[in-house]
Amino acid sequence: GQNIDQPTEMTATEGAIVQINCTYQTSGFNGLFWYQQHAGEAPTFLSYNVLDGLEEKGRFSSFLSRSKGYSYLLLKELQMKDSASYLCAVRDRRNTDKLIFGTGTRLQVFP
Amino acid sequence: EAGVVQSPRYKIIEKKQPVAFWCNPISGHNTLYWYRQNLGQGPELLIRYENEEAVDDSQLPKDRFSAERLKGVDSTLKIQPAELGDSAVYLCASSLRGASSGNTIYFGEGSWLTVV
Repeated sequence: GQNIDQPTEMTATEGAIVQINCTYQTSGFNGLFWYQQHAGEAPTFLSYNVLDGLEEKGRFSSFLSRSKGYSYLLLKELQMKDSASYLCAVRDRRNTDKLIFGTGTRLQVFP
Repeated sequence: EAGVVQSPRYKIIEKKQPVAFWCNPISGHNTLYWYRQNLGQGPELLIRYENEEAVDDSQLPKDRFSAERLKGVDSTLKIQPAELGDSAVYLCASSLRGASSGNTIYFGEGSWLTVV
């Protein structure tokens, strides 16, 4: 079976740091994506992890532990425009063209 | 470079009516996806094309949904007849040779369907 879990909602303050966790259980694994989706807009690519460790890209970082079936997205120096849904998606090893999405974490940043 | 283009952006129809969505992928992307996203949920794959061939349509409700990708470029997704539960955002996406080797999947802005 395939299961991806993320918190439904999170809140944070402008300028702070927030960590959005994602745990997954899949029959096969071949990479994990994080997407950002503002209300009423398309998901946009943030990061991709296939090996264990931390990938840093500006204010955003993504971490992966394959043995634990765990990833997190770290957002630093939060800005109001970071208020959005953050989608964790796992690529199936047996069907490498298929992304399985979690339900997304809705992040609200307050001043 | 243009992104994935979808139309119409919004559509409101009565139940039992047909509806069609159109998608133009990023130039050169041979893999095209149709996803459905319900409110507060993540996208769910309906169908995936490699060029003009549908290689994964296991989650497409074939009794009322159909899709085509003639000539391996543009694609259309049709629902006939529509039901109230079909209200959702229909997202088209494309990538180079699927999602292998970390190729990113790029999404269009979606077609918002409301069935009343």
